[in-house]
Amino acid sequence: EAQVTQNPRYLITVTGKKLTVTCSQNMNHEYMSWYRQDPGLGLRQIYYSMNVEVTDKGDVPEGYKVSRKEKRNFPLILESPSPNQTSLYFCASKPGLASADTQYFGPGTRLTVL
Amino acid sequence: AQSVTQLGSHVSVSEGALVLLRCNYSSSVPPYLFWYVQYPNQGLQLLLKYTTGATLVKGINGFEAEFKKSETSFHLTKPSAHMSDAAEYFCAVSDPQTGANNLFFGTGTRLTVIP
Repeated sequence: EAQVTQNPRYLITVTGKKLTVTCSQNMNHEYMSWYRQDPGLGLRQIYYSMNVEVTDKGDVPEGYKVSRKEKRNFPLILESPSPNQTSLYFCASKPGLASADTQYFGPGTRLTVL
Repeated sequence: AQSVTQLGSHVSVSEGALVLLRCNYSSSVPPYLFWYVQYPNQGLQLLLKYTTGATLVKGINGFEAEFKKSETSFHLTKPSAHMSDAAEYFCAVSDPQTGANNLFFGTGTRLTVIP
């Protein structure tokens, strides 16, 4: 089944404890992206990647890191999480780099930072 | 610069009634337009999109939307609401001229369907 998977789905952690949220897609998509969703703010992009080893900042990159060592994987790293990073996180991918391409979303990771 | 406005963060309709979710955009060029739906505890799923051609676009689950350039709108409609339509709906736009990474989301509208 073609899909974007994220792990874990739920995570509660404490301030300062490094964590990684994994994202993987099995559709051979070029483009991958991370968003956070907060009430009243919709989805805001954190980072994106147009190809292996090519990543760039989105609208809200502070406090996050990413890497794209393989085409299928795009992990999101929080080196020192803080409570304002409590949010619902989505990974997405799309086939190519065209603006008209549909993005496919993972099921989400709900992160709570205490 | 792109922006999206979704009027009404919450909309309630009775089962069987018309669903109308509003989306207006701001763009210097005619954009590509998308509607996504998010069911509880799930990721976003594409309902429909407009890129070029016919301005009335039909999507999944009986939804449709019409691109009106003069009104800079892309409202989502469904003639008869079903209980299973209860979800959050996001309008999004992208600029055909500025490359791959330019999908901007509205703040979302939560649809409640009353039995």
